[in-house]
Amino acid sequence: DVKVTQSSRYLVKRTGEKVFLECVQDMDHENMFWYRQDPGLGLRLIYFSYDVKMKEKGDIPEGYSVSREKKERFSLILESASTNQTSMYLCASSPMGTRTEAFFGQGTRLTVV
Amino acid sequence: QQQVKQSPQSLIVQKGGISIINCAYENTAFDYFPWYQQFPGKGPALLIAIRPDVSEKKEGRFTISFNKSAKQFSLHIMDSQPGDSATYFCAASRANSGYALNFGKGTSLLVTP
Repeated sequence: DVKVTQSSRYLVKRTGEKVFLECVQDMDHENMFWYRQDPGLGLRLIYFSYDVKMKEKGDIPEGYSVSREKKERFSLILESASTNQTSMYLCASSPMGTRTEAFFGQGTRLTVV
Repeated sequence: QQQVKQSPQSLIVQKGGISIINCAYENTAFDYFPWYQQFPGKGPALLIAIRPDVSEKKEGRFTISFNKSAKQFSLHIMDSQPGDSATYFCAASRANSGYALNFGKGTSLLVTP
């Protein structure tokens, strides 16, 4: 059974903290993605990676960075958390190739206070 | 800027009825149009997808209709069931962005008994 695992379901952090959200997939997928989900806004792409050490900006990369040192792991970093980054964060992975299914983790609900 | 526009935002349908969700896009480079279904507390999961060289695709009670000239596509759920109550997202992607998904804002569907 395919699996995308996000390290935390819920996180509460203080403004200004550096926050790491971790995502691991066990499907040997080349592509990995980070989205944030907000009510009324749907899912918006933050960053994606199509190979180890490769990264591409999505639609809303400001205030975020990513790291992909190993194929199975994709980390989202909030350099200095702010209250407007309170959101649900979803990680996904997909195999390389055209028109392939993306598999999502269950999400991390981050609250910045 | 949302690249995929989705309507309605919410939908209430009686059991046995037809649920219809519509989406529109502008970027003609998109060449893959999936629909994702999300239940509370879960990540989105692929429901059904279509390529632009096909006008309709049916899987069980779920049908995608695609109108390339109008740049519109829609999801029809026939014989809607209470278990279909979920949030539905249309999406579009293209090859030169690693097939990263551009999501609509989502439709919250409630099927009443």
